[in-house]
Amino acid sequence: AQTVTQSQPEMSVQEAETVTLSCTYDTSESDYYLFWYKQPPSRQMILVIRQEAYKQQNATENRFSVNFQKAAKSFSLKISDSQLGDAAMYFCAYRSANTGNQFYFGTGTSLTVIP
Amino acid sequence: DVKVTQSSRYLVKRTGEKVFLECVQDMDHENMFWYRQDPGLGLRLIYFSYDVKMKEKGDIPEGYSVSREKKERFSLILESASTNQTSMYLCASSLSGLSTLLDTQYFGPGTRLTVL
Repeated sequence: AQTVTQSQPEMSVQEAETVTLSCTYDTSESDYYLFWYKQPPSRQMILVIRQEAYKQQNATENRFSVNFQKAAKSFSLKISDSQLGDAAMYFCAYRSANTGNQFYFGTGTSLTVIP
Repeated sequence: DVKVTQSSRYLVKRTGEKVFLECVQDMDHENMFWYRQDPGLGLRLIYFSYDVKMKEKGDIPEGYSVSREKKERFSLILESASTNQTSMYLCASSLSGLSTLLDTQYFGPGTRLTVL
C-alpha cells in the first residue's frame, strides 16, 4: 500500500500571511493523482486542490497552490493571504492511476489562523 | 449539488450492541468507502465497495462488516461494539473508471460513535 506522510501535526499562521503544509508519499508508480482535502471543525471534508502526476505544472485554485516535486515525491500546499476560515484539518491523499478505487490519506495537519 | 448523507451525526451505544451506520449518496457513484478517523492516525479505510454486492477489505476491517444492496446505499455494521471502536466514522463515494481518476471523493458529515 502507498504511504502518505504529513510530518506537521499542527501549524499556525497569522491572518493574511502565507503558510505551507508538507506532504510526502511513497510509491513505485509513475502515474497517479494527488489531492488536498480540508476538514473544518465539525464540518464536512471537502476537496481543496488536486494534481495529476504526469502534469509538470503545479495546480492552483485561487489562494491555494501546490508545489509538486515528482522526483522527491513531495506535494506541499501553499495557502496565501490566510483567512480565519482557512482554519481546519488538512489531509493529503494519493490515488493510483492503475488501481484507482482506493485513496490513501496522510495523518493530517491542524492549521490555526491567528487574527 | 452532490450529496453524501449519513444516518446519524452522534451515536452512543453499549458494549456488545450491534450497530448500523448508514450512508447514502445521490451521485450515482460506483465506489463507496467507510473510514474511521482518529486523532494522530488520520483516515483509515475499513471497507470499500466498487459495485452493488461487492466489497473489499481496507486496512482495518476487523470487527466490522458492510452491506451494499443498492448502488446508493452502503452500510457499516459493528457486529458487537467494543470501546475501542469509539471513533469518528466517515463515508465517502467516488466515480470509477480511468476517465474519472482525477475526480475526488465526496464525503459525508461523519458519525461520531461512542461505545460505553
